[in-house]
Amino acid sequence: AQSVTQLDSHVSVSEGTPVLLRCNYSSSYSPSLFWYVQHPNKGLQLLLKYTSAATLVKGINGFEAEFKKSETSFHLTKPSAHMSDAAEYFCVVSEYGNKLVFGAGTILRVKS
Amino acid sequence: DTAVSQTPKYLVTQMGNDKSIKCEQNLGHDTMYWYKQDSKKFLKIMFSYNNKELIINETVPNRFSPKSPDKAHLNLHINSLELGDSAVYFCASSQDSYGQGLGGELFFGEGSRLTVL
Repeated sequence: AQSVTQLDSHVSVSEGTPVLLRCNYSSSYSPSLFWYVQHPNKGLQLLLKYTSAATLVKGINGFEAEFKKSETSFHLTKPSAHMSDAAEYFCVVSEYGNKLVFGAGTILRVKS
Repeated sequence: DTAVSQTPKYLVTQMGNDKSIKCEQNLGHDTMYWYKQDSKKFLKIMFSYNNKELIINETVPNRFSPKSPDKAHLNLHINSLELGDSAVYFCASSQDSYGQGLGGELFFGEGSRLTVL
C-alpha cells in the first residue's frame, strides 16, 4: 500500500528566499505523485504532477519538484518565495488501480 | 462560472439532524468525488462516482448517502448527524475513466464546513 509523509508541518521563509517543502513516499510500484496547494477557505488546486515522464517536473507559479526514486522523495521547491505563496501544500501519491493518498499538509508562511 | 461549486459553504446544525450538501461541476467531467478533511487537515476520500455509477465507497457510516442524479451533480446526504461529523467536506471532479484521479487532475470545490453542536 502506498503512503506519503510530509516531513514538516510548518515552514517559514522570508519573501524572496527559496522554498523547500519535503515529501517522502512509499509505494510498491511506480507511483504517480502530485502537489496540491490550498489557500485559506479555498479548495485544493493542482500545482504539478509526476507520472513517469521527466523526473524534474515544472508546475504553476514557479514551483517545481524532482522525483528521486532512490530516495523515495518528491520535494517541492521554488527559487524565490512570494507573499501570495503562503498557503497549505499537500503531497499526494497514487498507484495504478489505487486511490489517491494525501499527506498531512505543510503550512508555508512567507514573511515580508 | 465556477468549475466545481458546492453549497452551502457553512452549515451549523444540532446532533441528530439530517443535512445535505450539494455539488455541481460544469467541466464536463465523468467522475466526481466527496472528500472529508478533518480538524488535522487530513483529506480522505469518501465516495466517487463515474457517470452516475458508484465506484469508490470507503469505510463510511451508512448515515452518509451520496446521490448522483446526473454526471454533473453529486450530492451528499447525512442522517443523524454526530459530533464527529464536524469537518470540511470537499467535492471534486476529474476527467478520468478509472474514477480515482489517476494521472489526471482533480478539480476541487471550495469546501463546505459542517459544524455539529
